[in-house]
Amino acid sequence: DTAVSQTPKYLVTQMGNDKSIKCEQNLGHDTMYWYKQDSKKFLKIMFSYNNKELIINETVPNRFSPKSPDKAHLNLHINSLELGDSAVYFCASSQDGHRGGAQHFGDGTRLSIL
Amino acid sequence: DQQVKQNSPSLSVQEGRISILNCDYTNSMFDYFLWYKKYPAEGPTFLISISSIKDKNEDGRFTVFLNKSAKHLSLHIVPSQPGDSAVYFCAASYNTDKLIFGTGTRLQVFP
Repeated sequence: DTAVSQTPKYLVTQMGNDKSIKCEQNLGHDTMYWYKQDSKKFLKIMFSYNNKELIINETVPNRFSPKSPDKAHLNLHINSLELGDSAVYFCASSQDGHRGGAQHFGDGTRLSIL
Repeated sequence: DQQVKQNSPSLSVQEGRISILNCDYTNSMFDYFLWYKKYPAEGPTFLISISSIKDKNEDGRFTVFLNKSAKHLSLHIVPSQPGDSAVYFCAASYNTDKLIFGTGTRLQVFP
């Protein structure tokens, strides 16, 4: 019974295309996140949402747009994909954005741009 | 500018011995520190955390030590087991739940 699930697991697409990654959590958490892990394995936060409200928005290109239809879902839509967008994208969730507590991660979506 | 650094990309330890993973940080405003473990093709899994008001936190085989004056923390695993072989990430936060991660240390525990 997966706590944080992301789809798809792998995404291979052409430069210039638009794609979406979906994330769902069944933990009842209020806060969800998107992280990007680049080729140097550096894991960096992109966005966080608390109960459907955007809380953290790091310096991310406007081509990236998160959408939270309800507090159990946080999807990531990417427009006009570029080569530099190739990375592993992780979704995570936590209870009330609790500091010092666990953020629960999905298994990642590996995005490859051709 | 990397605020959280793990200077050892890899560590190899014999089963039953102690594994010590290190992490340095530059921002004295950090007030929570966390360790995550990551297996290949999986997401990071939370291991243990420590508040900046403490210098030690223990959970079973895992102990985290914080030295604020040196801006250094370490994770001790005793005894090390083959199943501990993974990449370990140190992370820190201040005032928010925004985590800033290090680049990870790959731990290999051999028989």
